[in-house]
Amino acid sequence: GENVEQHPSTLSVQEGDSAVIKCTYSDSASNYFPWYKQELGKGPQLIIDIRSNVGEKKDQRIAVTLNKTAKHFSLHITETQPEDSAVYFCAQKGYSTLTFGKGTMLLVSP
Amino acid sequence: DTEVTQTPKHLVMGMTNKKSLKCEQHMGHRAMYWYKQKAKKPPELMFVYSYEKLSINESVPSRFSPECPNSSLLNLHLHALQPEDSALYLCASSQGLTALNQPQHFGDGTRLSIL
Repeated sequence: GENVEQHPSTLSVQEGDSAVIKCTYSDSASNYFPWYKQELGKGPQLIIDIRSNVGEKKDQRIAVTLNKTAKHFSLHITETQPEDSAVYFCAQKGYSTLTFGKGTMLLVSP
Repeated sequence: DTEVTQTPKHLVMGMTNKKSLKCEQHMGHRAMYWYKQKAKKPPELMFVYSYEKLSINESVPSRFSPECPNSSLLNLHLHALQPEDSALYLCASSQGLTALNQPQHFGDGTRLSIL
């Protein structure tokens, strides 16, 4: 069945440092990989996504890379700021529904 | 601000009460979803509606009853819930259930507490 493993579960960085979160998936048919940010008291918010025919995508300080051969994808945040502190979920979509990773709590200290 | 609106934001109810959660979107999306999220866990899919018809029920207990009155609205009717049903209930929508590469947009959820 579909499975997504996400690491690390917790990540603490200093303001200005980079943060990297990695996910591995098992379903070869997966074709869409979104990343969500969830702040306390809020729903998950889509921050970036990547399609299976693309290897990398960047949006300002956020980038996502995809290695289809190895079945893993990563979220990169540069120049982290305290407001980046949140829980981040990776996900993969096969035919219809999303499968989420277990989440990474990112803490950015001033 | 999220484009998926959920009401109420908070709900406290007893195990014998009947209540409903509401969700609304005006993005023209034809797929709508209910998720349950426990603390420090990812969202768990409960139901999916596609073109106002129930497409997926992830073996959810019958005390949860979904309804899709029209393409913009999604309800979740609650009856005789258990304390373990306390959670954040999230609604989401997307362009279509099998539409390629289309994201799901989430509301901010209803925080439900069962006494």
